[in-house]
Amino acid sequence: ETGVTQTPRHLVMGMTNKKSLKCEQHLGHNAMYWYKQSAKKPLELMFVYNFKEQTENNSVPSRFSPECPNSSHLFLHLHTLQPEDSALYLCASSQDGPAGDGWETQYFGPGTRLLVL
Amino acid sequence: RKEVEQDPGPFNVPEGATVAFNCTYSNSASQSFFWYRQDCRKEPKLLMSVYSSGNEDGRFTAQLNRASQYISLLIRDSKLSDSATYLCVVNRVSGGYQKVTFGTGTKLQVIP
Repeated sequence: ETGVTQTPRHLVMGMTNKKSLKCEQHLGHNAMYWYKQSAKKPLELMFVYNFKEQTENNSVPSRFSPECPNSSHLFLHLHTLQPEDSALYLCASSQDGPAGDGWETQYFGPGTRLLVL
Repeated sequence: RKEVEQDPGPFNVPEGATVAFNCTYSNSASQSFFWYRQDCRKEPKLLMSVYSSGNEDGRFTAQLNRASQYISLLIRDSKLSDSATYLCVVNRVSGGYQKVTFGTGTKLQVIP
């Protein structure tokens, strides 16, 4: 399935590095999401973009910086991360927006497994 | 109190057994409800939506109890391939946009 793709699939970085995660959706959706999944914790919603505008930022530290240049692409820029930021970062998309009634299905990418040393 | 709570399990059941999972949610403004399935080291995928009247999809039955604020998932005649983590998802629309909350997931292991 290639509806939502993410690159890279695995990433190891030092605390002083700067890297970016990329997500691309081929489903014609207008909403995209970044989630963090840590061991034994629920998926944590980080950022939401609807129609390219950020509509949600769940108190995420500024060392994570999202970018949504268009409705098909979403980036997560990383800098000066901490070891506790090591997790699986999942991107999702849905057909959502002002007309949505909350029943839209989210389609997830395979995730980027990040290790911060 | 967590917005969405699930028993993490694991639930270890023999093939052919019936197993049920519950999930409670705290926000009475929640509007839509889902069960997602996540296989080991894979991304979550929608299993089924949960409607007020209850709904069934083959061996899977989902029910919603708004008064008690819980949803359930029943799996009949368990198969080995049902082994996965089942995520309860609760959604509400605020300002026209979705606010999605996932539970921690319930792990199911079906044993031969």
